[in-house]
Amino acid sequence: DQQVKQNSPSLSVQEGRISILNCDYTNSMFDYFLWYKKYPAEGPTFLISISSIKDKNEDGRFTVFLNKSAKHLSLHIVPSQPGDSAVYFCAASGGGGADGLTFGKGTHLIIQP
Amino acid sequence: ETGVTQTPRHLVMGMTNKKSLKCEQHLGHNAMYWYKQSAKKPLELMFVYNFKEQTENNSVPSRFSPECPNSSHLFLHLHTLQPEDSALYLCASSQVWDSGGPDTQYFGPGTRLTVL
Repeated sequence: DQQVKQNSPSLSVQEGRISILNCDYTNSMFDYFLWYKKYPAEGPTFLISISSIKDKNEDGRFTVFLNKSAKHLSLHIVPSQPGDSAVYFCAASGGGGADGLTFGKGTHLIIQP
Repeated sequence: ETGVTQTPRHLVMGMTNKKSLKCEQHLGHNAMYWYKQSAKKPLELMFVYNFKEQTENNSVPSRFSPECPNSSHLFLHLHTLQPEDSALYLCASSQVWDSGGPDTQYFGPGTRLTVL
């Protein structure tokens, strides 16, 4: 049973517009959430994270929102750029110590010119 | 070298071969991880090493044998693999603090393994 779900396998957005990627989780013990970006033939690259004590974290064009009651998080990218085309993974951990991450299946974001 | 490096990047092996994957982290971290990514599936945690001690083995078959000689190096020894073991194998590292707190993991580029 998947504990982290990304229900949209792909998303197409026009350059300059906002990209919104969604992620749902089921495990209430998760308290740290991360987004990774992956290009073909490369490993995942860390983008941004959020602790469960916050509901928003912003870093440049990237903002992550966390809704604990709904067990939902989202990544907003604005404005979207062609270099943002990649697969985006949502991940979660129980925090505190060397925990493995639990990943979603990923969303392939395509930025249209 | 910077970040997390993995060798080889591609590996083709027969079911009777023995091979090893190597990972090295240049970030000064004290925890290292092996993940597996199969087609159409999410990344799956295989092993965790914290301060060189294996703290997690996520029900991985014994034909996969990890080794962590120090906090910078991690190996995955492969023996009598099956074709379904073909996947992308990713190594990651993070800094773990005694006081707890979240750890952000940084990944290498992966080894694309094909078992014939």
